[in-house]
Amino acid sequence: DVKVTQSSRYLVKRTGEKVFLECVQDMDHENMFWYRQDPGLGLRLIYFSYDVKMKEKGDIPEGYSVSREKKERFSLILESASTNQTSMYLCASSLWQGSGQPQHFGDGTRLSIL
Amino acid sequence: QKEVEQNSGPLSVPEGAIASLNCTYSDRVSQSFFWYRQYSGKSPELIMSIYSNGDKEDGRFTAQLNKASQYVSLLIRDSQPSDSATYLCAQTANNDMRFGAGTRLTVKP
Repeated sequence: DVKVTQSSRYLVKRTGEKVFLECVQDMDHENMFWYRQDPGLGLRLIYFSYDVKMKEKGDIPEGYSVSREKKERFSLILESASTNQTSMYLCASSLWQGSGQPQHFGDGTRLSIL
Repeated sequence: QKEVEQNSGPLSVPEGAIASLNCTYSDRVSQSFFWYRQYSGKSPELIMSIYSNGDKEDGRFTAQLNKASQYVSLLIRDSQPSDSATYLCAQTANNDMRFGAGTRLTVKP
Protein backbone atom coordinates (compact mmCIF):
# COMPACT_ATOMS: atom_id res chain seq x y z
CA ASP A 1 0.00 0.00 0.00
CA VAL A 2 1.02 3.57 -0.65
CA LYS A 3 2.05 5.38 2.49
CA VAL A 4 2.03 9.16 2.62
CA THR A 5 3.08 10.49 6.00
CA GLN A 6 2.57 14.03 7.21
CA SER A 7 4.68 15.10 10.13
CA SER A 8 1.92 16.49 12.36
CA ARG A 9 -1.81 15.83 12.73
CA TYR A 10 -2.42 19.04 14.66
CA LEU A 11 -0.33 22.19 14.79
CA VAL A 12 -0.87 25.54 16.49
CA LYS A 13 1.27 28.52 15.50
CA ARG A 14 1.24 32.27 15.96
CA THR A 15 0.72 35.00 13.39
CA GLY A 16 3.97 35.94 11.67
CA GLU A 17 5.74 32.67 12.40
CA LYS A 18 7.44 30.68 9.65
CA VAL A 19 5.72 27.29 9.51
CA PHE A 20 7.01 24.08 7.95
CA LEU A 21 4.73 21.19 7.02
CA GLU A 22 6.52 18.01 6.02
CA CYS A 23 5.34 15.16 3.82
CA VAL A 24 7.08 11.89 3.00
CA GLN A 25 5.95 9.13 0.63
CA ASP A 26 7.42 5.64 0.40
CA MET A 27 6.30 4.52 -3.09
CA ASP A 28 8.89 6.27 -5.27
CA HIS A 29 6.17 8.48 -6.77
CA GLU A 30 7.29 11.23 -9.12
CA ASN A 31 4.44 13.62 -8.30
CA MET A 32 3.65 15.28 -5.00
CA PHE A 33 0.97 17.81 -4.15
CA TRP A 34 -0.11 20.16 -1.38
CA TYR A 35 -3.78 21.07 -0.93
CA ARG A 36 -5.77 22.94 1.64
CA GLN A 37 -9.34 22.02 2.41
CA ASP A 38 -11.86 24.42 3.91
CA PRO A 39 -15.58 23.90 4.55
CA GLY A 40 -17.61 24.74 1.48
CA LEU A 41 -14.52 25.33 -0.69
CA GLY A 42 -13.39 21.78 -1.32
CA LEU A 43 -9.81 20.85 -2.11
CA ARG A 44 -7.66 23.66 -3.45
CA LEU A 45 -4.24 23.02 -4.94
CA ILE A 46 -1.43 25.13 -3.49
CA TYR A 47 1.71 23.73 -5.17
CA PHE A 48 2.81 20.56 -6.87
CA SER A 49 6.04 18.97 -8.00
CA TYR A 50 6.81 16.51 -10.79
CA ASP A 51 10.42 15.93 -9.91
CA VAL A 52 13.17 16.72 -7.44
CA LYS A 53 13.90 20.47 -7.18
CA MET A 54 10.98 21.18 -9.47
CA LYS A 55 7.79 23.00 -8.42
CA GLU A 56 4.71 24.44 -10.05
CA LYS A 57 2.13 26.85 -8.66
CA GLY A 58 -1.37 25.59 -8.14
CA ASP A 59 -4.52 27.64 -7.78
CA ILE A 60 -3.69 29.42 -4.51
CA PRO A 61 0.12 29.73 -4.09
CA GLU A 62 0.15 33.17 -2.46
CA GLY A 63 1.71 33.14 1.00
CA TYR A 64 3.22 29.67 0.51
CA SER A 65 6.41 28.17 -0.85
CA VAL A 66 7.59 24.58 -1.25
CA SER A 67 10.78 22.59 -1.27
CA ARG A 68 11.59 19.24 -2.83
CA GLU A 69 15.21 18.32 -2.24
CA LYS A 70 14.62 14.56 -2.30
CA LYS A 71 12.13 12.55 -4.32
CA GLU A 72 10.30 11.19 -1.28
CA ARG A 73 9.92 14.48 0.62
CA PHE A 74 7.84 17.57 -0.19
CA SER A 75 7.69 20.45 2.26
CA LEU A 76 5.17 23.27 2.43
CA ILE A 77 6.34 26.54 3.97
CA LEU A 78 4.18 29.34 5.25
CA GLU A 79 6.59 32.26 5.07
CA SER A 80 4.74 34.47 7.56
CA ALA A 81 1.66 32.73 8.91
CA SER A 82 -1.63 34.59 8.96
CA THR A 83 -4.99 33.69 10.51
CA ASN A 84 -6.55 33.10 7.06
CA GLN A 85 -4.14 30.20 6.63
CA THR A 86 -5.90 28.26 9.37
CA SER A 87 -7.02 25.14 7.53
CA MET A 88 -6.65 21.42 6.94
CA TYR A 89 -3.55 20.78 4.82
CA LEU A 90 -3.35 17.61 2.77
CA CYS A 91 -0.33 16.16 1.02
CA ALA A 92 -0.75 13.68 -1.84
CA SER A 93 1.46 11.72 -4.20
CA SER A 94 1.01 9.84 -7.46
CA LEU A 95 2.91 8.15 -10.22
CA TRP A 96 3.55 10.28 -13.31
CA GLN A 97 0.26 12.13 -13.87
CA GLY A 98 0.26 11.71 -17.63
CA SER A 99 -0.68 8.08 -17.19
CA GLY A 100 -3.88 9.00 -15.34
CA GLN A 101 -2.81 7.69 -11.97
CA PRO A 102 -4.82 8.51 -8.82
CA GLN A 103 -3.46 10.58 -5.99
CA HIS A 104 -2.94 9.08 -2.55
CA PHE A 105 -3.36 11.29 0.48
CA GLY A 106 -1.67 11.59 3.83
CA ASP A 107 -3.71 11.91 7.03
CA GLY A 108 -3.67 15.70 6.88
CA THR A 109 -2.42 18.44 9.20
CA ARG A 110 -4.98 20.61 10.93
CA LEU A 111 -3.18 23.93 11.30
CA SER A 112 -4.43 26.73 13.53
CA ILE A 113 -2.86 30.18 13.34
CA LEU A 114 -3.58 32.33 16.39
CA GLN B 1 -11.33 26.76 -15.69
CA LYS B 2 -12.29 23.14 -16.09
CA GLU B 3 -15.00 22.27 -13.59
CA VAL B 4 -16.12 19.15 -11.80
CA GLU B 5 -19.60 19.56 -10.39
CA GLN B 6 -21.27 17.57 -7.66
CA ASN B 7 -24.49 18.04 -5.73
CA SER B 8 -23.30 18.95 -2.24
CA GLY B 9 -26.19 17.15 -0.60
CA PRO B 10 -26.75 16.09 2.02
CA LEU B 11 -28.05 12.88 0.50
CA SER B 12 -29.87 10.70 2.99
CA VAL B 13 -30.78 7.07 2.35
CA PRO B 14 -32.05 4.30 4.66
CA GLU B 15 -29.82 1.39 5.51
CA GLY B 16 -29.93 -1.28 2.83
CA ALA B 17 -30.96 1.10 0.04
CA ILE B 18 -28.98 2.09 -3.05
CA ALA B 19 -27.18 5.41 -2.80
CA SER B 20 -26.58 7.18 -6.12
CA LEU B 21 -23.94 9.89 -6.34
CA ASN B 22 -23.47 11.93 -9.50
CA CYS B 23 -20.74 14.07 -10.99
CA THR B 24 -20.51 16.10 -14.18
CA TYR B 25 -17.41 17.56 -15.75
CA SER B 26 -16.71 20.12 -18.43
CA ASP B 27 -13.32 19.01 -19.77
CA ARG B 28 -13.87 16.75 -22.78
CA VAL B 29 -10.21 15.74 -22.74
CA SER B 30 -10.66 14.04 -19.36
CA GLN B 31 -9.11 10.62 -19.39
CA SER B 32 -9.45 9.10 -15.94
CA PHE B 33 -12.01 9.37 -13.19
CA PHE B 34 -11.86 8.56 -9.50
CA TRP B 35 -14.13 8.42 -6.50
CA TYR B 36 -12.77 9.19 -3.05
CA ARG B 37 -14.48 8.72 0.31
CA GLN B 38 -13.72 11.16 3.09
CA TYR B 39 -14.88 10.61 6.65
CA SER B 40 -15.30 13.66 8.82
CA GLY B 41 -11.91 14.93 10.00
CA LYS B 42 -10.04 12.40 7.86
CA SER B 43 -8.26 12.55 4.51
CA PRO B 44 -9.72 11.35 1.18
CA GLU B 45 -9.41 7.63 0.51
CA LEU B 46 -9.49 6.23 -3.04
CA ILE B 47 -12.35 3.77 -3.50
CA MET B 48 -12.91 3.50 -7.27
CA SER B 49 -11.24 4.40 -10.53
CA ILE B 50 -12.75 4.20 -14.02
CA TYR B 51 -11.13 4.88 -17.35
CA SER B 52 -13.55 3.78 -20.08
CA ASN B 53 -17.24 4.10 -20.81
CA GLY B 54 -19.58 1.73 -19.03
CA ASP B 55 -19.80 0.22 -15.58
CA LYS B 56 -17.11 -0.99 -13.21
CA GLU B 57 -18.07 -2.99 -10.16
CA ASP B 58 -16.10 -3.56 -6.97
CA GLY B 59 -18.03 -5.22 -4.17
CA ARG B 60 -20.98 -3.01 -3.23
CA PHE B 61 -19.66 -0.13 -5.36
CA THR B 62 -20.34 0.47 -9.05
CA ALA B 63 -18.84 3.35 -10.98
CA GLN B 64 -20.50 4.40 -14.23
CA LEU B 65 -18.89 6.58 -16.88
CA ASN B 66 -20.54 8.23 -19.87
CA LYS B 67 -18.00 10.37 -21.72
CA ALA B 68 -20.47 11.52 -24.37
CA SER B 69 -22.71 13.03 -21.69
CA GLN B 70 -19.74 13.99 -19.49
CA TYR B 71 -20.92 12.41 -16.29
CA VAL B 72 -19.67 9.82 -13.88
CA SER B 73 -21.66 8.26 -11.08
CA LEU B 74 -21.13 6.03 -8.08
CA LEU B 75 -23.74 3.55 -6.87
CA ILE B 76 -23.50 2.05 -3.40
CA ARG B 77 -25.66 -1.04 -2.97
CA ASP B 78 -26.90 -2.26 0.42
CA SER B 79 -25.85 1.03 2.02
CA GLN B 80 -24.52 0.79 5.56
CA PRO B 81 -24.23 3.46 8.27
CA SER B 82 -20.45 3.10 7.88
CA ASP B 83 -20.84 4.46 4.32
CA SER B 84 -21.84 7.83 5.78
CA ALA B 85 -19.13 10.19 4.51
CA THR B 86 -18.42 12.81 1.89
CA TYR B 87 -17.71 11.41 -1.57
CA LEU B 88 -15.38 13.32 -3.88
CA CYS B 89 -15.35 12.92 -7.62
CA ALA B 90 -12.06 13.61 -9.41
CA GLN B 91 -10.94 13.66 -13.01
CA THR B 92 -7.59 13.90 -14.72
CA ALA B 93 -6.69 15.28 -18.09
CA ASN B 94 -3.03 15.22 -19.07
CA ASN B 95 -1.17 16.52 -16.02
CA ASP B 96 -4.08 18.05 -14.15
CA MET B 97 -6.43 16.55 -11.58
CA ARG B 98 -9.62 18.33 -10.59
CA PHE B 99 -11.83 17.51 -7.62
CA GLY B 100 -15.48 18.17 -7.09
CA ALA B 101 -16.57 19.79 -3.84
CA GLY B 102 -18.04 16.49 -2.65
CA THR B 103 -21.47 15.05 -1.81
CA ARG B 104 -22.26 14.34 1.83
CA LEU B 105 -24.02 10.98 2.25
CA THR B 106 -25.87 9.93 5.39
CA VAL B 107 -27.10 6.35 5.74
CA LYS B 108 -29.74 6.10 8.44
CA PRO B 109 -30.10 2.85 10.42
